[in-house]
Amino acid sequence: EAQVTQNPRYLITVTGKKLTVTCSQNMNHEYMSWYRQDPGLGLRQIYYSMNVEVTDKGDVPEGYKVSRKEKRNFPLILESPSPNQTSLYFCASSLGYTTYEQYFGPGTRLTVT
Amino acid sequence: DAKTTQPPSMDCAEGRAANLPCNHSTISGNEYVYWYRQIHSQGPQYIIHGLKNNETNEMASLIITEDRKSSTLILPHATLRDTAVYYCIVRVETGSWGKLQFGAGTQVVVTP
Repeated sequence: EAQVTQNPRYLITVTGKKLTVTCSQNMNHEYMSWYRQDPGLGLRQIYYSMNVEVTDKGDVPEGYKVSRKEKRNFPLILESPSPNQTSLYFCASSLGYTTYEQYFGPGTRLTVT
Repeated sequence: DAKTTQPPSMDCAEGRAANLPCNHSTISGNEYVYWYRQIHSQGPQYIIHGLKNNETNEMASLIITEDRKSSTLILPHATLRDTAVYYCIVRVETGSWGKLQFGAGTQVVVTP
């Protein structure tokens, strides 16, 4: 089954404790992206990647890192999480970055205390 | 960037067609109209997209006006599982490769 998976689905952590949210897709997609969703602010793009070793900032990249060492994986790294990074996070992928539909993962609900 | 305007909410009776409007009066000639939906806190799901012509797939139909300043998503026979927030998005291309600019969307509630 074609899908985007994220782990963990739920995470409660404390300020400053490094964490990684994994994202994997099995569709051989070139383009991958991370969004965060907050009440009243909608979905906002954090980072994106057009292919292996090619990443760039989205609208809200501060406090986040990403890497794309393999085509299928695009982890989101929070080196020193803060409470304002409490949010619902979605990974997405698509065949390319232009007119192709994007497939979203199920989401990771992160709480930073 | 072309922005979209959608009604905040609408109700629809189960089995009836749901017609969701979207205004995008500043759309550029090479920008596509996309529709996604999000069922409560799940990942957004692609529905359909189009440039000029009307489009239909197994989920919905997309009607784009001739001047491309507005469009309508049609769910032909709404079911309770179609209750979701529906987003009309005009694809941002320049300088923001692949980014989907989500607005507030329309909360659609399908009632029995």
